[in-house]
Amino acid sequence: DAKTTQPTSMDCAEGRAANLPCNHSTISGNEYVYWYRQIHSQGPQYIIHGLKNNETNEMASLIITEDRKSSTLILPHATLRDTAVYYCIAPRGGKLIFGQGTTLQVKP
Amino acid sequence: ETGVTQTPRHLVMGMTNKKSLKCEQHLGHNAMYWYKQSAKKPLELMFVYNFKEQTENNSVPSRFSPECPNSSHLFLHLHTLQPEDSALYLCASSQGGTGESYEQYFGPGTRLTVT
Repeated sequence: DAKTTQPTSMDCAEGRAANLPCNHSTISGNEYVYWYRQIHSQGPQYIIHGLKNNETNEMASLIITEDRKSSTLILPHATLRDTAVYYCIAPRGGKLIFGQGTTLQVKP
Repeated sequence: ETGVTQTPRHLVMGMTNKKSLKCEQHLGHNAMYWYKQSAKKPLELMFVYNFKEQTENNSVPSRFSPECPNSSHLFLHLHTLQPEDSALYLCASSQGGTGESYEQYFGPGTRLTVT
């Protein structure tokens, strides 16, 4: 996996957008960026992935910079149930390698 | 509900016991995975199966023995475990095949305590 760097923790007010950054400056041209999240004591949940275009689905949006060295996961209207650890992964070789991720705390 | 189920959800076993963890996926996937998550640590990939064939063993001790009888079922047989093996064991599945598929769907996990 290309190395990714995420902040250890972030807070977000309920109802506001949560913007989670990820740096992946060593990513190669054909490597995707994947985002997962893990709510406490549950299995990780796939959120979204992208290569170079911005992507949106029912859960989130993924904005990838033009140079592909960083990306931002956006949860447009965070709820308390979005409190979780969010993982940004640039996998290769058939394996997902989970790091420490960003712990997002959504506060009322 | 992710389409991946795991049983049991909780397991307490002694170091001399033999037990098995079961995983079943209802997604029509061809690849299945075992991960281990110890307290305060990232997930660690243990085993990968693709079309019932083991394609990855991430230097896992032999006291963990996986079995994949078909593409829908995956087992992890446990024997003579150590207290440090206490962890959340997670199963996942993905499309699999010749292409790389990183969109994995995880089960809820089995919380294992070794006494």
